[in-house]
Amino acid sequence: DQQVKQNSPSLSVQEGRISILNCDYTNSMFDYFLWYKKYPAEGPTFLISISSIKDKNEDGRFTVFLNKSAKHLSLHIVPSQPGDSAVYFCAASEAGNTPLVFGKGTRLSVIA
Amino acid sequence: AAGVIQSPRHLIKEKRETATLKCYPIPRHDTVYWYQQGPGQDPQFLISFYEKMQSDKGSIPDRFSAQQFSDYHSELNMSSLELGDSALYFCASRLSPRGIQYFGAGTRLSVL
Repeated sequence: DQQVKQNSPSLSVQEGRISILNCDYTNSMFDYFLWYKKYPAEGPTFLISISSIKDKNEDGRFTVFLNKSAKHLSLHIVPSQPGDSAVYFCAASEAGNTPLVFGKGTRLSVIA
Repeated sequence: AAGVIQSPRHLIKEKRETATLKCYPIPRHDTVYWYQQGPGQDPQFLISFYEKMQSDKGSIPDRFSAQQFSDYHSELNMSSLELGDSALYFCASRLSPRGIQYFGAGTRLSVL
């Protein structure tokens, strides 16, 4: 049973446009959400996170939105750049020192 | 800044052999996590340690064991290797209770 779901395996966006990556979760005990970016042959790189007490967190070109009632979060990248092309994983954890539960990832391709 | 170091980066073993993967967390991080990522899959949590004690256990086979040493580095020991153990193995570390999990570059294990 996949507790964190990324229903779009891939996404193509033109350079300069907005990329929107979506993530849904089923476990209401999750209270911390993270996005990681992963290039081939490298480990996941932390991008941005959001606590369940917030509905938005912004860091430069990256903004994460959380809708707790819908159990949905999204990552917005504006403007998208070719270097953003990678696999993006949504991850969630419960309170405390708990492990991450990952979605299956979305491969983003930013086309110049 | 120092990152999570994993060794070796690549490992090739035969069926029924043993393997040892090492992880050196970011200095002062007190929690280590091990994840396994199969081809085309999301990372799956195996086991974690907090202050050298096992803190959580995920889908780790009985053939695998792990420990965290006094210098906080961790080792994942894998015995009676099977073809299905071929995967990327990631280690992550964090500073509890609410630090971000930072990942190493991973060890790619190939079982022939």
